[in-house]
Parts: sequence; structure tokens; C-alpha cells
Amino acid sequence: QVQLQESGPGLVKPSQTLSLTCNVSGDSISSGDDYWSWIRQPPGKGLEWIGYIYYTGSTFYNPAFKSRVTISPDTSKNQFSLKLTSMTATDTAVYYCVRVRIERGYDPFDFWGPGILVTVSS
Amino acid sequence: DIQMTQSPSSLSASLGDRVTITCRASQSISNYLNWYQQKPGKAPKVLIYAASSFESGVPSRFTGSGSGTDFTLTIRGLQPEDFATYYCQQSYSSPFTFGPGTTVDIK
Repeated sequence: QVQLQESGPGLVKPSQTLSLTCNVSGDSISSGDDYWSWIRQPPGKGLEWIGYIYYTGSTFYNPAFKSRVTISPDTSKNQFSLKLTSMTATDTAVYYCVRVRIERGYDPFDFWGPGILVTVSS
Repeated sequence: DIQMTQSPSSLSASLGDRVTITCRASQSISNYLNWYQQKPGKAPKVLIYAASSFESGVPSRFTGSGSGTDFTLTIRGLQPEDFATYYCQQSYSSPFTFGPGTTVDIK
């Protein structure tokens, strides 16, 4: 069974950089069968796709974040990470790491971590 | 960006009811449309992909249809575990966007 687990700080100060890690078990991020993604959800609001990475290191980012975001793999640990710079209160959200099954372009987000709440506050 | 809208934003229904949720895209997305269910405090779960294909393990009472700009998710015979929020998501073009959600609660 594929499992993902986010880890990182629950509190970040304004202007700081958020760093989150997703540990993957039950699948290899190097398999080439999937993308590995980050999605966030502000409290009480909807879902926003941040970006994803392929095992080759190719990345695809939401332009809304492009200047602030970096997603990178650590194939030796079967993990991938998210860095988001210049955090503000509007970045307060639950951050999910997600597997994206490559399926003829339909590419559903098929396995999700439980999420980690990140609050931006001084 | 492709904008996704859903209607209604919320609905109340009884056990055993048939429920239909509509999703509309701001431009044609063929059938590049996925549906998710989210329960409070939990991560979303994919129900339907490619507008009408069943995700493994999802009960057959969930069906999806549509193409182009208009899509529906139908739940036949609402069960207690179906009370949740439902999101559509387009995978036609980046950035991949979600609808605002439809909350189904108990009448």
C-alpha cells in the first residue's frame, strides 16, 4: 500500500522559507510511473495545486507560485521536498504531498499524505 | 488558467437519495476531469478519473459523466459515509485547478 507522510514545521514566521519533506513508502519515486506533487488547502477553503516533480528532476509549477517554489527529489531516501519562500499569512494552509498516477494525461491525484498544517505568524 | 465552478455549493439530502453535483469548466477540457471526496480533517480521495472511469475500490453508486465543459457526479442511494465535500479537478492543462467544492450534508 502506498503511503505518504509530510514532515516539517507547523509554524513559520512571515518572510521566512517553508521547508517540507514527504516520505514515500510502498512505491519508488524513481519508478517513472508517477509524478510527485504538493497541494495545499487554506483552512475552510478549497484545494490549490502547487506543483509536481518527475523522478528525472523535471518540475512543473503553478505559475502562481513559480517565483517562490522549489520541489526536489531525494531518490536515496525515497522522499521529495517543498520549499516556499517569502511566506505570508495567506500561505497558512494544510499542505499535502500527493502521488499523481500517470494515466494517459488524466493523471489523478491518487494517494495523499494526511497533510500538515502550516501557520504563518510572528 | 481554466476556472472550475460547481453547483450547488452545498446540499442537504437523506439516506438513500440520489444526488447530482455539477461541475463546469471555463473552456473545453474534453474528458480530463477527476472527482474527489473529502471528509472533515482528512485528505481528499479520488473517486472518478477521466470524467467517468471508476477508481479502484470506489463503490459503484458513484458515477461520473460529461465532456467538454459540463460534467456531473451522481451518487445513487446515499449512504452515511457519503456525507462529505466533493471537488472536481481538471487535468487538461497546467495549472491543474479544482472546483470550489460541494458539501453534502444530512437533511
